[in-house]
Amino acid sequence: QVQLQESGPGVVKPSQTLSLTCGVSGDSISNLDYYWSWIRQPPGKGLEWIGYIYRTGITHYNPSLKSRVTMSVDTSNNHFSLTVNSVTAADTAVYYCGSATADIDYVDVWGNGTSVTVSS
Amino acid sequence: SYEVTQPLAVSVALGQTATIACEGANIERKNVHWYQQRPGQAPVLIIYRDIKRPSGIPERFSGSNSGNTAALTISGVQVADEAKYYCQVWDSRAVFGGGTQVTVL
Repeated sequence: QVQLQESGPGVVKPSQTLSLTCGVSGDSISNLDYYWSWIRQPPGKGLEWIGYIYRTGITHYNPSLKSRVTMSVDTSNNHFSLTVNSVTAADTAVYYCGSATADIDYVDVWGNGTSVTVSS
Repeated sequence: SYEVTQPLAVSVALGQTATIACEGANIERKNVHWYQQRPGQAPVLIIYRDIKRPSGIPERFSGSNSGNTAALTISGVQVADEAKYYCQVWDSRAVFGGGTQVTVL
């Protein structure tokens, strides 16, 4: 089973761009018929699905975030990425990467999560 | 947009049975998935497609889905089961319930 590990800056200034990467180990993204997802969790709150990307670059985003979110896949470095533009304090959260390995509609492998704080 | 609702908290005596509801309009027409999240940890998938358990998930976790209510049942609750539980459906995007905190008495 693949393992996932998020990485990125712990703090981002308001109005700037948040960029996160999820490293995939255990197999090559190119070989895997998975949907690579991002989910976030604000402090003390529930889970919010951000979107997914397929290895071919096909994406599907949460409509509530679509205007500010971009996902990409880097098969040569075996990772996938998330950027969120024009961040505000409401984007402060633990960000999880995950994969849907069997079916598209649920996440069965999760990274450990990385905390991002939006603050000046 | 589709919404699912969970109770904020459920308390259960050690060794007894806990049931967590996940309510949504005609939810029986959707596949419901359940995640367990312990404090400071990532969620773990414990039930998918209403009733299926991933490899390694104890048999005391089971699911059901009928009418407007899906449910997660934990039989013979253990201290290790104290956690927050989220239901999730797909409605053009993943939709999560607000989560239910299970406390073991």
